[in-house]
Amino acid sequence: QKEVEQDPGPLSVPEGAIVSLNCTYSNSAFQYFMWYRQYSRKGPELLMYTYSSGNKEDGRFTAQVDKSSKYISLFIRDSQPSDSATYLCAMSFNTGGGNKLTFGTGTQLKVEL
Amino acid sequence: DTAVSQTPKYLVTQMGNDKSIKCEQNLGHDTMYWYKQDSKKFLKIMFSYNNKELIINETVPNRFSPKSPDKAHLNLHINSLELGDSAVYFCASRDVNSPLHFGNGTRLTVT
Repeated sequence: QKEVEQDPGPLSVPEGAIVSLNCTYSNSAFQYFMWYRQYSRKGPELLMYTYSSGNKEDGRFTAQVDKSSKYISLFIRDSQPSDSATYLCAMSFNTGGGNKLTFGTGTQLKVEL
Repeated sequence: DTAVSQTPKYLVTQMGNDKSIKCEQNLGHDTMYWYKQDSKKFLKIMFSYNNKELIINETVPNRFSPKSPDKAHLNLHINSLELGDSAVYFCASRDVNSPLHFGNGTRLTVT
């Protein structure tokens, strides 16, 4: 069993839809949770960064962390074709230099006109 | 300005060859990484250097040897390339209070 599980998709939604992307994890020591977006032939870029449980909102994006269930989510409101990309969840034990991120396998999202 | 730059962007080579990938960051970060992304998009850390010192070395075959001449550069040399080495290799950097910044990857194909 992988430390971080993520449905690979692909997930196809119409423009304007609300998208829900999820990851589950097995190691309760993870404290920092991130979502990265990766466009084709590009490197991942950070979208959202949260510490411990709770919600964080940034524009059309909301990240949720439920540590009791070992479950994190990313919601995208009013999805746009430009949101079409692979979304990777990532988590770490600490934020200090030298820590390593453990990634999910990514969910491929396509937003259609 | 490109924050984390890798060269080459594409690398096609035959089994048994030795090749190098170079990475440079202009963000002033102390820590640099090499990640490998397989065909299923799974990203796995290989190495991490902090201020030219190796701090993370995952279970990577010793055919892979990272070298950091200074804190802005982290190169990856691969000896005796194998078919299974085909992947996209990402360089990344970060500081204590910054997120991980990735380069755009080097797509390695071993034939």
